[in-house]
Amino acid sequence: EAQVTQNPRYLITVTGKKLTVTCSQNMNHEYMSWYRQDPGLGLRQIYYSMNVEVTDKGDVPEGYKVSRKEKRNFPLILESPSPNQTSLYFCASSLVMTGPGTEAFFGQGTRLTVV
Amino acid sequence: AQTVTQSQPEMSVQEAETVTLSCTYDTSESNYYLFWYKQPPSRQMILVIRQEAYKQQNATENRFSVNFQKAAKSFSLKISDSQLGDTAMYFCAFVQYFGNEKLTFGTGTRLTIIP
Repeated sequence: EAQVTQNPRYLITVTGKKLTVTCSQNMNHEYMSWYRQDPGLGLRQIYYSMNVEVTDKGDVPEGYKVSRKEKRNFPLILESPSPNQTSLYFCASSLVMTGPGTEAFFGQGTRLTVV
Repeated sequence: AQTVTQSQPEMSVQEAETVTLSCTYDTSESNYYLFWYKQPPSRQMILVIRQEAYKQQNATENRFSVNFQKAAKSFSLKISDSQLGDTAMYFCAFVQYFGNEKLTFGTGTRLTIIP
């Protein structure tokens, strides 16, 4: 089954404790990205990757890191989480350069709370 | 930069009735795609319908259809014969043709179908 898998689905952590949210896709997609969803703001892009070892900032990258060592994996790293990073996070993947409007596949979401 | 505006934070409608969700966007690009995503309480992001900007014909998917007005930069979603399972948050989104594949989302409309 084609899917994007995020883990964990729920996470409560304390300020300053490094954490990683994993994302894996099994569709051989080149493009992967991370979004955060906040009430009244919709979804905003954090980072994206066009292919292995190619990453770039989205609209709200501060406080986050990513890496793309393998095509299927795109982890989101919070080196020193702060309460303003409490949010719902989504990983998404899609084919790139196949033409416009390629459907983005989303993970199940990770609800992160930083206390 | 592209922006997407959803001016109706919440809507409710009786089961079996028709409801229209509004979306406007701003872009200087002429080639792009527009989407409606549904997010039920499970948090999963589900693609409802997609519209190519170069197509004048409005997209339809079963009970879902759009009214795409390119000159007015308007992209509304009509849900006919609404069902309880349509209760969800609905997001309008934009992606530029041959851009960085970034989806720009509106702030969402929470739709409740009343039995």
